[in-house]
Amino acid sequence: DAGITQSPRHKVTETGTPVTLRCHQTENHRYMYWYRQDPGHGLRLIHYSYGVKDTDKGEVSDGYSVSRSKTEDFLLTLESATSSQTSVYFCAISDFGGREVNEQFFGPGTRLTVL
Amino acid sequence: DQQVKQNSPSLSVQEGRISILNCDYTNSMFDYFLWYKKYPAEGPTFLISISSIKDKNEDGRFTVFLNKSAKHLSLHIVPSQPGDSAVYFCAITQGGSEKLVFGKGTKLTVNP
Repeated sequence: DAGITQSPRHKVTETGTPVTLRCHQTENHRYMYWYRQDPGHGLRLIHYSYGVKDTDKGEVSDGYSVSRSKTEDFLLTLESATSSQTSVYFCAISDFGGREVNEQFFGPGTRLTVL
Repeated sequence: DQQVKQNSPSLSVQEGRISILNCDYTNSMFDYFLWYKKYPAEGPTFLISISSIKDKNEDGRFTVFLNKSAKHLSLHIVPSQPGDSAVYFCAITQGGSEKLVFGKGTKLTVNP
């Protein structure tokens, strides 16, 4: 299994508070991704990173920001959490690098509840 | 507009029978297709993939078929086992793209 950890694994917070989720990898993969999974929506890309300090928006980036100061860490921040951001958040990594298929490896997920 | 559709939210089959999960896509520019499997409280795990130069790829009990003219792919599991019960996501991408686009998933239940 790819070495990906997410912290915290569960979090309950209140509307309007800032929240930061952490993804840590030990695989030295270049690409890192944040997804959210919601019933009826599948997996949707929030933001991704293609290198240290290199990030780009995904499909559902509003209300989220990311940072990557080291290869191994990718942080997802909700500046002011809203109830619509209640979801399960998955981090994924990939070493893509010109391979035929961009196979992504996923972390165990963080369940976030915003009250 | 959805670029990839899994029109069956759920599927129930008997142990030992075939499970067929379907996925449709809209843009013929996509040329790599992947299936992921997800158990509750775990992250998705890669299962099998196929590129557009092939129409079939097999890995043990799992076979993916690609019909480019119909923009349709399917995952066959034979024989189905109770441990196959999970949510299956199809994902599509273009060669050289760093991003995957996922379908909404199909929940497979294999009954003993």
